[in-house]
Amino acid sequence: QKEVEQNSGPLSVPEGAIASLNCTYSDRVSQSFFWYRQYSGKSPELIMSIYSNGDKEDGRFTAQLNKASQYVSLLIRDSQPSDSATYLCAVTKGGRGGSNYKLTFGKGTLLTVNP
Amino acid sequence: SAVISQKPSRDICQRGTSLTIQCQVDSQVTMMFWYRQQPGQSLTLIATANQGSEATYESGFVIDKFPISRPNLTFSTLTVSNMSPEDSSIYLCSTSDRGGANVLTFGAGSRLTVL
Repeated sequence: QKEVEQNSGPLSVPEGAIASLNCTYSDRVSQSFFWYRQYSGKSPELIMSIYSNGDKEDGRFTAQLNKASQYVSLLIRDSQPSDSATYLCAVTKGGRGGSNYKLTFGKGTLLTVNP
Repeated sequence: SAVISQKPSRDICQRGTSLTIQCQVDSQVTMMFWYRQQPGQSLTLIATANQGSEATYESGFVIDKFPISRPNLTFSTLTVSNMSPEDSSIYLCSTSDRGGANVLTFGAGSRLTVL
């Protein structure tokens, strides 16, 4: 079983719709979870981090974490063409302020938002 | 977030040669990391660059192939030695963000093509 799994997509949504991106992880001791956005030919940039079960909202983005199910998701409301990118889920064993900085990344989901 | 400069941004190399990638950060950082992103794949951690001591390599990566230097808290180099076409990849330098442990900032990456 891969450590971090994501649907590779592509996921295609119309402009203004909600895009839902999913990620599962295998290591139960994982404590920190991140979503990175990577535009084609560019380096990843952090868009959300989540450490506790539940929802975390930041603008149009909502991260959801369920540690019991080992599942983390990212919702993008009112999707815009500029949101078209690959979204990478990343997981680390270290908690916030913890000593384990090693991130394990999923392969990413390619999102296309159609005008 | 720290600003990370990498060079070269891209290069085309001949089989059997070696190339050194430089990573410069605009502030002192404790943790520096080198990742590889092969075509169509996600990011894989190569090693943690430790200031004043030998780098810590992940499984599957060895010092002879990927020697790393970290002479101070703002600079690191990664050398890809005796390159083969399988080494064609994007190599990314990253640091942990001052805003919180485990939050990574990435350089723009160095795209290497080995012929």
